Amino acid sequence: DGGITQSPKYLFRKEGQNVTLSCEQNLNHDAMYWYRQDPGQGLRLIYYSQIVNDFQKGDIAEGYSVSREKKESFPLTVTSAQKNPTAFYLCAGANANTGELFFGEGSRLTVL
Amino acid sequence: GQSLEQPSEVTAVEGAIVQINCTYQTSGFYGLSWYQQHDGGAPTFLSYNGLDGLEETGRFSSFLSRSDSYGYLLLQELQMKDSASYFCAVPQSGTYKYIFGTGTRLKVLA
Repeated sequence: DGGITQSPKYLFRKEGQNVTLSCEQNLNHDAMYWYRQDPGQGLRLIYYSQIVNDFQKGDIAEGYSVSREKKESFPLTVTSAQKNPTAFYLCAGANANTGELFFGEGSRLTVL
Repeated sequence: GQSLEQPSEVTAVEGAIVQINCTYQTSGFYGLSWYQQHDGGAPTFLSYNGLDGLEETGRFSSFLSRSDSYGYLLLQELQMKDSASYFCAVPQSGTYKYIFGTGTRLKVLA
C-alpha cells in the first residue's frame, strides 16, 4: 500500500543521546515535512524539503537535523542540543497537485 | 509572519451541527485546508478551499471568505466518532511550507 512510513513508533532515549527517526514514502511526493506536536497542542514545523538534496528550516529547527539524499527518505535526527525533545513527531508528504498532506503514523519520543 | 487562530474547544451533542472557525493572517493566500486528528493518531485530510464559497464532502463542509481572511469547517449530523481535534492549515505564500492552526478539540456528547 502507498503511504508514509515512520519508525520507530515509540522510542526512549537518555539525555545527551542523539536519535534518528525514519520516514519513508512511496507516494512519489517531492515535498516532505517534519512536525512536532506536544500534548494538547498544534503542529509545529521543524524542517521541510521540496526536492532531493535540499531542505529548509521550519519554525523550530534548533536542535534538529535532516537529510534528503533520496526522494523516498527524509530522516530526522533529534540531537542532544534539543533541550526538550519529548514529543510526538509526525512526518508528511505533499501532493503537489492538490496540496494535500499525507501523514505517517508518528513517532513518540520520550527522554528519560 | 503567518498565524491561524481557532477556538480551543467546542462541545456539541450527537446529531447536532457544529462550526469550527479559522481566522488567518498570511502574506499571500494559496488556499485553506482542514485536517482531523484523533487522540494518539495522525492528522488526516478533510477538505480544501482555494476559492470563496462552500465545499461539501458528505457530512463535512468547509467555507472560505478571502476578503475576511476567514474560513470554517461545518460538521453535520454529529457522531461520537467525530470527537477529535480539527486543524486548519495554509501554505506560506509561494512555498510548500505548510503552517497549521492552533487546533480545536471537538467533544461530541451522547
